[in-house]
Amino acid sequence: DQQVKQNSPSLSVQEGRISILNCDYTNSMFDYFLWYKKYPAEGPTFLISISSIKDKNEDGRFTVFLNKSAKHLSLHIVPSQPGDSAVYFCAATITSGTYKYIFGTGTRLKVLA
Amino acid sequence: DAGITQSPRHKVTETGTPVTLRCHQTENHRYMYWYRQDPGHGLRLIHYSYGVKDTDKGEVSDGYSVSRSKTEDFLLTLESATSSQTSVYFCATGTSGYEQYFGPGTRLTVT
Repeated sequence: DQQVKQNSPSLSVQEGRISILNCDYTNSMFDYFLWYKKYPAEGPTFLISISSIKDKNEDGRFTVFLNKSAKHLSLHIVPSQPGDSAVYFCAATITSGTYKYIFGTGTRLKVLA
Repeated sequence: DAGITQSPRHKVTETGTPVTLRCHQTENHRYMYWYRQDPGHGLRLIHYSYGVKDTDKGEVSDGYSVSRSKTEDFLLTLESATSSQTSVYFCATGTSGYEQYFGPGTRLTVT
């Protein structure tokens, strides 16, 4: 049972445009969500996070939106740059629990110059 | 960069042999995790630790064991490697249970 789903395995976007990566979850107990970025042959690196008490968090070009009723979050990258080309993973956890993280399967973003 | 190293970085082993992967951190983080990454599955939690000698199972723990005798080291052992354990293994650390810091990964091939 995949509790965190990223239904788009890949996405191509033109440089300068907006990239929107989506993530859905099934467990309503999740209260903290994170996005990680991964380049080939490297470990994932933390990008941005959001608590369930918020519906939006912004950090520079990156914004994460959370829709709790739909159990859906999205990562917006504006403007997209070629260096953003990577695999993006969303993850979820229950902060009052055992700090286990459930990751999605990832979306490969390609930003075209 | 949370000062996480993994060793070895690459390993090829034969089916049935024991394998131990090491994760070492210099940040004194309380939490440590082992994940495997496979195509179509993303990152799946194998085992994690919430303190020295305190460990628990993740989603895909069968065939794996872990030990944490010191804050800085978290070992993952495959008692008898199988071809289904061919994967890229990532170690991660964390403090309050929020963001995690990942190591560079170990590519393990079981022939």
